Amino acid sequence: NAGVTQTPKFQVLKTGQSMTLQCAQDMNHNSMYWYRQDPGMGLRLIYYSASEGTTDKGEVPNGYNVSRLNKREFSLRLESAAPSQTSVYFCASSEALRMWYTFGSGTRLTVV
Amino acid sequence: AQSVTQLDSQVPVFEEAPVELRCNYSSSVSVYLFWYVQYPNQGLQLLLKYLSGSTLVKGINGFEAEFNKSQTSFHLRKPSVHISDTAEYFCAVTLSGINFGNEKLTFGTGTRLTIIP
Repeated sequence: NAGVTQTPKFQVLKTGQSMTLQCAQDMNHNSMYWYRQDPGMGLRLIYYSASEGTTDKGEVPNGYNVSRLNKREFSLRLESAAPSQTSVYFCASSEALRMWYTFGSGTRLTVV
Repeated sequence: AQSVTQLDSQVPVFEEAPVELRCNYSSSVSVYLFWYVQYPNQGLQLLLKYLSGSTLVKGINGFEAEFNKSQTSFHLRKPSVHISDTAEYFCAVTLSGINFGNEKLTFGTGTRLTIIP
């Protein structure tokens, strides 16, 4: 039972480069989320998807785009990376009408 | 909008001593509350949750938390900690009775628990 799988686990980008963080879940969950974790700031919601075909902005969406490719997959794209986007990114999913999340193991991104 | 405050960013505790990690929330409506644990270099795992019913909630690894509506608190406790409890702990809140598909959690800034041998 894999749960939520994120790739890659680590990435170093140069300022201005683009990349896509991948997330897939095998629990048939409807809702998926992208958070970023920064020291002293906890987890902040970037984007979420309540169901296949829908996406909405969270607290800190600037500089990011998302795609809910199908029910399983929810990707996060950085079009032009900036040093302020250096962070640990977590994907999570939740079952309909259940409020708790299952998290992936995270992607540690450094932008130089 | 709801918010969560974890006032203690770091808590050092001797092994086998009790611990309490504090969490206060702010909301004008009823809430659901959660504690998550993050071990070094890992994702977050659900420790326990309060949805309704008994205000004393028991979770994994011997942790428990008590929902106090009048004090808007949801403090996490363990009577005797072990080295393996070293981790970061996050309190989270979402509104109860919300529409399907809007189950967004708001997290606190986390408390780093360090167990001293």
